[in-house]
Amino acid sequence: EAQVTQNPRYLITVTGKKLTVTCSQNMNHEYMSWYRQDPGLGLRQIYYSMNVEVTDKGDVPEGYKVSRKEKRNFPLILESPSPNQTSLYFCASRGGSERREQYFGPGTRLTVT
Amino acid sequence: AQSVTQLGSHVSVSEGALVLLRCNYSSSVPPYLFWYVQYPNQGLQLLLKYTTGATLVKGINGFEAEFKKSETSFHLTKPSAHMSDAAEYFCDVSLGDMRFGAGTRLTVKP
Repeated sequence: EAQVTQNPRYLITVTGKKLTVTCSQNMNHEYMSWYRQDPGLGLRQIYYSMNVEVTDKGDVPEGYKVSRKEKRNFPLILESPSPNQTSLYFCASRGGSERREQYFGPGTRLTVT
Repeated sequence: AQSVTQLGSHVSVSEGALVLLRCNYSSSVPPYLFWYVQYPNQGLQLLLKYTTGATLVKGINGFEAEFKKSETSFHLTKPSAHMSDAAEYFCDVSLGDMRFGAGTRLTVKP
């Protein structure tokens, strides 16, 4: 089954404790992306990757890091989480063309206290 | 970069009534356009998309949308709302980069 998986689905952590949210897709997609969803703001892109070893900032990259060492994986790293990063996070992937739709993971709800 | 405006953060309709969710974008070049739906506690899934060709696009669950270049719009409609349509809907505009609208939460009253 074609899918995007994220782990963990729920995470409660404390300020400053480094964490990683994993994302994996099994569709051989070139493009992967991370979004955060906040009430009234919709989805805002954090980082995206056009292919292996190619990443770029989205609209709200501050406080986040990503890497793309393999085509299927695109982890999101919060080196020093802060309460303003409490949000719902989605990973997505699509084929190389922007004509194609994105496939979304189930989301990771992160709470930073 | 283009921007996307979804007019109305919350739309409420009665069951059986017409659903109209609005999406306008700002771009001088026609982009690729998508509508996604998010059911409670789930990720987003594609409803329909416009890339080229016919400007009236049909999607899943009886939804359709019409691309109007002159109005830079891609409004989503459904003739008769069902309780199961209650969800959040996002318009996505893709041209070089991708922009989502802020979303419209649809409530369906019995």
